[in-house]
Amino acid sequence: QKEVEQNSGPLSVPEGAIASLNCTYSDRGSQSFFWYRQYSGKSPELIMFIYSNGDKEDGRFTAQLNKASQYVSLLIRDSQPSDSATYLCALTGGSARQLTFGSGTQLTVLP
Amino acid sequence: DARVTQTPRHKVTEMGQEVTMRCQPILGHNTVFWYRQTMMQGLELLAYFRNRAPLDDSGMPKDRFSAEMPDATLATLKIQPSEPRDSAVYFCASGFNPLAEPGGEQFFGPGTRLTVL
Repeated sequence: QKEVEQNSGPLSVPEGAIASLNCTYSDRGSQSFFWYRQYSGKSPELIMFIYSNGDKEDGRFTAQLNKASQYVSLLIRDSQPSDSATYLCALTGGSARQLTFGSGTQLTVLP
Repeated sequence: DARVTQTPRHKVTEMGQEVTMRCQPILGHNTVFWYRQTMMQGLELLAYFRNRAPLDDSGMPKDRFSAEMPDATLATLKIQPSEPRDSAVYFCASGFNPLAEPGGEQFFGPGTRLTVL
């Protein structure tokens, strides 16, 4: 089992809808969780991080963490075509000395 | 506008040749990371430096890859000899981590797209 699992997609949502991106992890010792966005041909950029169970909101983005279920998600409200990108889940802590990335979920927001 | 810079942005070379990639981290950052990204493997950590000291290069094929930080403004990743399977995008990232703990935000450079024929 990979340390960080993401559905590769592609995930398509209509403009204005909520996009839900999910990530599960295998190491219960994982402590810090990050969501990176990567546009095609570009480098990853951090959009959110979360350390504690529950929800964390930043504008149209909400990260949700459930350590008991080993699950972290990213919700994008009022999705825009400019949100179309690959979203990478990453974590540290436990056996992961540094950032360990999932394979990413490709999101397409349809106008 | 502080950002990580990488050179070259693109490199095409023939199998067996030496390849050197360079990275200038953001001024004041004390951690530097080298990643490789391919469609099949995703983002893989190759090497990690903190305060210029190499702390983790377990992800790097030691027989052909080497990573160094000759000074605080320059990190290098060298492949000698290069092979077609090394074709990938190589990213450098930097961050500031005052404590020797995992984590911390990382800022990625634009990457070097390497093609080995």
